[in-house]
Amino acid sequence: ETGVTQSPTHLIKTRGQQVTLRCSSQSGHNTVSWYQQALGQGPQFIFQYYREEENGRGNFPPRFSGLQFPNYSSELNVNALELDDSALYLCASSRDVVLNTEAFFGQGTRLTVV
Amino acid sequence: DAKTTQPNSMESNEEEPVHLPCNHSTISGTDYIHWYRQLPSQGPEYVIHGLTSNVNNRMASLAIAEDRKSSTLILHRATLRDAAVYYCILRALFGNEKLTFGTGTRLTIIP
Repeated sequence: ETGVTQSPTHLIKTRGQQVTLRCSSQSGHNTVSWYQQALGQGPQFIFQYYREEENGRGNFPPRFSGLQFPNYSSELNVNALELDDSALYLCASSRDVVLNTEAFFGQGTRLTVV
Repeated sequence: DAKTTQPNSMESNEEEPVHLPCNHSTISGTDYIHWYRQLPSQGPEYVIHGLTSNVNNRMASLAIAEDRKSSTLILHRATLRDAAVYYCILRALFGNEKLTFGTGTRLTIIP
């Protein structure tokens, strides 16, 4: 059973650019959630995808968008990058959106916006 | 989302038990209590969860107060590898599985 993998591990972008982060969910998991973690803070929920549909969104602007593919892998896209977008972006997968099951996190992508 | 309150930091000696407290006075009857931890430079890791009864697994034990307004995560014999930020999270029985993290408790293990 493979775990949650994220790519790339580190990324440096310029303000105003666009970025795509990728996540492969754990085998058998159909739900993927994305979180943003600023330095010294707990992770903040961005949005969740369940069977390729968005299923809940946190307090993030529309320039944060996502996608889930038929194999349940997922992408997080951020347009018009701002300096405050610098953070660790975490992907978590789980077996089912309804049941109170545990979430499995990847190691994250460290995004630096300069 | 119901809120939890945890101490910012705690220290413990290696090979001794650790009790990490969490207050959740506004918990509703259908909220589960989840604990996650985040080791340095890693994503959060599930530790344990429970509803009303105390729970045990290979990593830890969860003691839940009778009124459910507080809980304690117990690491029976701390090792250096247990140094991490521990998050206590309330999660609705049915919902979209969003995890609402606070700032957690930073646990330091003293060799």
